[in-house]
Amino acid sequence: SYDLTQPLSLSVALGQTAKITCGGHDIGSKLVHWYQQKPGQAPLLVIYRDNNRPSGSPERFSGSNSGNTATLTVSRARAGDEADYYCQVWDSRTMTFGGGTKLTVL
Amino acid sequence: EVQLVESGGGLIHPGGSLRLSCAASGFTFDDHAMHWVRQAPGKGLEWVSGITWNSAKIDYADSVKGRFTISRDSAKNSLYLQMNSLRPEDTAFYFCARDTGPYNSGPILDWGHGTLVTVFS
Repeated sequence: SYDLTQPLSLSVALGQTAKITCGGHDIGSKLVHWYQQKPGQAPLLVIYRDNNRPSGSPERFSGSNSGNTATLTVSRARAGDEADYYCQVWDSRTMTFGGGTKLTVL
Repeated sequence: EVQLVESGGGLIHPGGSLRLSCAASGFTFDDHAMHWVRQAPGKGLEWVSGITWNSAKIDYADSVKGRFTISRDSAKNSLYLQMNSLRPEDTAFYFCARDTGPYNSGPILDWGHGTLVTVFS
C-alpha cells in the first residue's frame, strides 16, 4: 500500500502563511488533491491535481508537488481556515488519504 | 444543486449486515464514478470503495475486500454499500462521494453528510 505522511498539527498566526506537507515516495509523479474538513462537516475540495483551485476555493489556497513532498499553502491565514486538511492520491486503483493535519490559527 | 443523501446506518452487532444507500440528485448520475469514504469518530478519512459510471470497474480497500459490496442503480440515481461480517473497527461515519469524472481516478467533488454505523458487542 502507498503511505502518505502529514504532520498531526500546525499552528499559524493570523495573517501569516501556513505550509502543510504531505510526504510519499515519489509523490511528485502523482496527482495530489487537498481537502479541508471543519468539525461536524463533510470534507471540501480546496486544491486538485497539485495546484488547481476548484470554483469557490479562495486564491489564498495554493499547492505544489515535487519529489517526495506535496505542499498546501494557506496564505494570509484567517480564523475560518482553522480545520483539518487531508491530502489524497490514487495508487494502484486505491484512493489513499494522508492522516490529516489540524491547522490552528492563533 | 448537487445533493448526496445517505441512509441505512445504525447499531449492529459484530458479524451482522447493513445496507447503506445514497440518493443522488442535481447532476447526471451516469457521468460520474461514485465512492464510499468512511471516518471513524475523531479519526481521519479512509476510502472504502469506488465504482465507475457503468459499474465496469469496482475497487475496494483491503480492509473491506470480501465483506463489502458496492453497487449503483442508474434508474434510481442511487449508490449502495452492502456490508457483511461487520467488525467493531468498521464503526464510522460513511460518506457517499462523487468523483470528478466517470472513472475511479479523480478527486472527490461532492460529499454527502454521512451516515453513522456503530458495530458493538
